[in-house]
Amino acid sequence: QKEVEQNSGPLSVPEGAIASLNCTYSDRGSQSFFWYRQYSGKSPELIMSIYSNGDKEDGRFTAQLNKASQYVSLLIRDSQPSDSATYLCAVIGAGNMLTFGGGTRLMVKP
Amino acid sequence: EADIYQTPRYLVIGTGKKITLECSQTMGHDKMYWYQQDPGMELHLIHYSYGVNSTEKGDLSSESTVSRIRTEHFPLTLESARPSHTSQYLCASSAGQRQYFGPGTRLTVT
Repeated sequence: QKEVEQNSGPLSVPEGAIASLNCTYSDRGSQSFFWYRQYSGKSPELIMSIYSNGDKEDGRFTAQLNKASQYVSLLIRDSQPSDSATYLCAVIGAGNMLTFGGGTRLMVKP
Repeated sequence: EADIYQTPRYLVIGTGKKITLECSQTMGHDKMYWYQQDPGMELHLIHYSYGVNSTEKGDLSSESTVSRIRTEHFPLTLESARPSHTSQYLCASSAGQRQYFGPGTRLTVT
């Protein structure tokens, strides 16, 4: 079992819809969680971090964390074609190392 | 905004050549990292450093080597490039848990 799991996609949503990206992790002791966005051919860019159970909102982005279920999600409201990218979930687990999931490719159709 | 630089951005080189990929950051971060990523594939950690004169191998075995003589500089060297080394190499740095990525070097070995 991989430490951080994501559906590779592609997840296709129409413009203006809510995109929901999910991530599960195996290390129950993980405390810090991040979402990175990576456009094709570019480097990852940090867009959200979350450390406590519940929701954290930043503009059109909402990160959700449920430590009991070992589940992190990212919601993108009013999705735009410019949101089309690969979204990487990353978790700080044992050894204080950041572990990345394989990423979910999001496609927002105009 | 994170200031982390990588040179060259693109490199095409013949088999057997020695190459050094440069990475520098101006943020005074103690921790630096090298990742390897093939197009559309996962990020793989190949080297990391927690400070000057500290280097460790990452999850993915790599024939490359790194050095950390100065806080701001973390070069990666391939003594004898092979076509299997063709990939994108991403450098990152962090002070706390958040990693910031450089623009990457796309290496092609012919």
